[in-house]
Amino acid sequence: GDSVTQMEGPVTLSEEAFLTINCTYTATGYPSLFWYVQYPGEGLQLLLKATKADDKGSNKGFEATYRKETTSFHLEKGSVQVSDSAVYFCALRGGYNKLIFGAGTRLAVHP
Amino acid sequence: EAGVAQSPRYKIIEKRQSVAFWCNPISGHATLYWYQQILGQGPKLLIQFQNNGVVDDSQLPKDRFSAERLKGVDSTLKIQPAKLEDSAVYLCASSSETGSYEQYFGPGTRLTVT
Repeated sequence: GDSVTQMEGPVTLSEEAFLTINCTYTATGYPSLFWYVQYPGEGLQLLLKATKADDKGSNKGFEATYRKETTSFHLEKGSVQVSDSAVYFCALRGGYNKLIFGAGTRLAVHP
Repeated sequence: EAGVAQSPRYKIIEKRQSVAFWCNPISGHATLYWYQQILGQGPKLLIQFQNNGVVDDSQLPKDRFSAERLKGVDSTLKIQPAKLEDSAVYLCASSSETGSYEQYFGPGTRLTVT
C-alpha cells in the first residue's frame, strides 16, 4: 500500500543554518504531496504542497520539489530561525482524499 | 472563518472505561476525518465521513471504536472499553468538496489511558 518515509529526528541546527528533511514515498500513480508542520501546543498546519511531478511547493522560505524519478519530496530552507522549531510531517494524498503521513521529524533550532 | 473545533482538549481515563470526543468542522465542509496520532508516529486515518455517510473506516478498530456524524455536521468518536494502547492524540479534520480539497485540522484531543 501507499506509504511515506521521512528521516528520523531530532534534527538540531543553529540559527541561520541550512535545513534538509528527507521524504520518500511509495504509491501507485502520482499522488499529491504535502508538508505539514506542528508547532508546540498547536494543531497540524499545511506548510506547502505539490500536485504533480516537477512542481515546487514553497511557503515561509521553505521549499520542496516533487521528484517522481526518485519518489522524493525533500523539505529545504536556506536559513532557519528559532521560530521554525516544530515537528514536520511529509504526507501523500491517497484514495478518497485521505492523507498518509510519515512519522514526523522534530526540528530544534537554537540561537 | 472559525476553524475546526474539538473537545475536550485533554482526557485521562482508566483502562476499560469509555470516552467520547467531539468535533465541529468548518462550516460548509462536507467531509470530516478522524485521525489517531500515537506519540512518535504520524497521524493515521481512523474514519472518514462525507456528509453523514462513511467513506472509509477500514482502519477503525470496530470492536471498541465507533463514530457518528448525525445531520452531516458535527461528529463524535467513542472508545469503549479503552485500552492502554489507545493513548494518543485524536485529530479531527474537515475539507470542502470543491477547490483544493485541503484538509484543515483541529487542535486535537490528547487521551491518556492509565
